[in-house]
Amino acid sequence: GAVVSQHPSWVICKSGTSVKIECRSLDFQATTMFWYRQFPKQSLMLMATSNEGSKATYEQGVEKDKFLINHASLTLSTLTVTSAHPEDSSFYICSASVGGPGNEQFFGPGTRLTVL
Amino acid sequence: QKEVEQNSGPLSVPEGAIASLNCTYSDRGSQSFFWYRQYSGKSPELIMFIYSNGDKEDGRFTAQLNKASQYVSLLIRDSQPSDSATYLCAAHFNKFYFGSGTKLNVKP
Repeated sequence: GAVVSQHPSWVICKSGTSVKIECRSLDFQATTMFWYRQFPKQSLMLMATSNEGSKATYEQGVEKDKFLINHASLTLSTLTVTSAHPEDSSFYICSASVGGPGNEQFFGPGTRLTVL
Repeated sequence: QKEVEQNSGPLSVPEGAIASLNCTYSDRGSQSFFWYRQYSGKSPELIMFIYSNGDKEDGRFTAQLNKASQYVSLLIRDSQPSDSATYLCAAHFNKFYFGSGTKLNVKP
């Protein structure tokens, strides 16, 4: 149980284009979903936290107009990187929380974005 | 001061030995603690969580929590080369705080 999927698993795009990444909880309803970014050999960096039906809460330094998050249902959240630039190239990982006593997060497999 | 601190390593242990990974946290209000394993190029996977003082065992893994000392550890018994990965510690109090991870190398 507690499976989270992401799509696509990797994407290459041209500078200036927008890229949408989907995150789905497959076998549970996630009260909260999280979006992380990880650069090579660096630690996870939380970008934003989203709850279904409400606006995402962005971490300091993360541009909400550049990284659009839509949490449309209890099983789906999307991250859109708008007007992507080479410095946005990174490993984007979503996670979902079941909201149980442990509040553990289950991570999706990640999306590797390369902006040319 | 970082909310969750880990030694970046690498920690090298021989196959079959016990690997001990440590983590400290700064927020005394933290309620739940998690250990994740992350292989290179992959996303983290949950190993176990703990929220009561003491030990919690799951197979070859034992998590230990000492709230007075604000200390969490993960012991891996009978370490295998396949355990070689980066281990992330996380604390939860209203939000999640992840450590930067400890890289573990298990040598055959």
